Formats: sequence, structure tokens, C-alpha cells
Amino acid sequence: KAGVTQTPRYLIKTRGQQVTLSCSPISGHRSVSWYQQTPGQGLQFLFEYFSETQRNKGNFPGRFSGRQFSNSRSEMNVSTLELGDSALYLCASSLEGSESGNTIYFGEGSWLTVV
Amino acid sequence: AQKVTQAQTEISVVEKEDVTLDCVYETRDTTYYLFWYKQPPSGELVFLIRRNSFDEQNEISGRYSWNFQKSTSSFNFTITASQVVDSAVYFCALSQPTGGGNKLTFGTGTQLKVEL
Repeated sequence: KAGVTQTPRYLIKTRGQQVTLSCSPISGHRSVSWYQQTPGQGLQFLFEYFSETQRNKGNFPGRFSGRQFSNSRSEMNVSTLELGDSALYLCASSLEGSESGNTIYFGEGSWLTVV
Repeated sequence: AQKVTQAQTEISVVEKEDVTLDCVYETRDTTYYLFWYKQPPSGELVFLIRRNSFDEQNEISGRYSWNFQKSTSSFNFTITASQVVDSAVYFCALSQPTGGGNKLTFGTGTQLKVEL
């Protein structure tokens, strides 16, 4: 079956703009989480959604937001982009939660460059 | 607080050598899950293995093997007879089920370079 799909794969934005990234989880998966990867900070957890509700949130400013739809697809939005937001944004999905021992699968990521 | 340490930043080996990637974790939870992921240059994190804290049985899958030791809080990964295609960044991660949901804490990764 299809894996986690993220769009777009690459994008370039200007400082001050906003961006929306999309993620389609593996069919049947209800948990979707987002991570930011930068050379300086590594892989950092942004937030997780389950059944359209945010269940966990990392330590990021309010400019970073997300949502999940009834079909489990998720979007994340970054407003008022800063140069430091340039990163690889990875989406992950799993059946439920890790407390159930479910494996977490990642997509190929969206490479965001802010100029 | 959760923490994962991968002390090896970069490892270079010659093809067919065995290589072990180290991972040390810290958690106060008694129930937790450990993961290894491989990240090729394309960026995707490829799942390799998941272990729960109650299962210390070591596993071998083809050329890959894992050594989980709770006594030393380590979850090391060995590639036997390495190949050029194994070149990638490898991440160890810890998930904290406390509070529900998925939240992975990653190590800083180990860059593995396998040369001919």
C-alpha cells in the first residue's frame, strides 16, 4: 500500500510569507505527526494530530500550526516565515499512538527554503 | 526528560566491514519504545526496527542486528558486511507513551559512509 505522501516536495518562499504543507497518511492510519529537521537543531517534534484533535505539541512558536481532516489527512501552516524556518519538514503516521506499540512511518518530507 | 545520545557523528568503513552504531537513551518511563531509522540523501526516514521496553530479545534481520540492553540503556545497531547502499544517516529515537500519542525524541544521527 502507498506510504506517507507529502506535498509539495520542494518550495521556496520569501520572508514574511506563509506556507502550507500537506500530508496524506498511510491508509487506515489515524495519527499524524510533524517534525522539523535542520542542520543545527536536528529532528524536532512539532505536533501530533489524532482524530482531528491536536494531541501533542512541541516547543515551537504559534506561527506553526496544523490541522487534521476527517479523512486523517493533515496540513501544517507556518505564517510570517523567517529565514530560520528553512528546513526539511517531515510528516509521520501510525495506526494509533506509540503507546499501543505502533510503528511510526515517515514521508519523504517537504524541503522549504526561505529567502 | 527524554534524551537520546548518538556519540558517533560520522563513521567511514570499507565495503564488507562490519559496523556498529551506538545509541544511549534516557527516560524515566518504564514503558517506552525505541526505533532506528535510516535517512538517505532523498530525506525520507526509512523505518528499520522498533523495540518495546519489555522486550530485550536481540534481533537479526538479514545483515542487520540490534542489541538492546536495559541495564546500560543502550540500543545498538550492527550492519554486517556493509555495502555502499548502506551509506546514509542513521537515527535512533525514543517514544514516550506517557500522556498518549506519538512523540519521538531523536538522537543527532550517525553519518555512515561505506566506500569501495
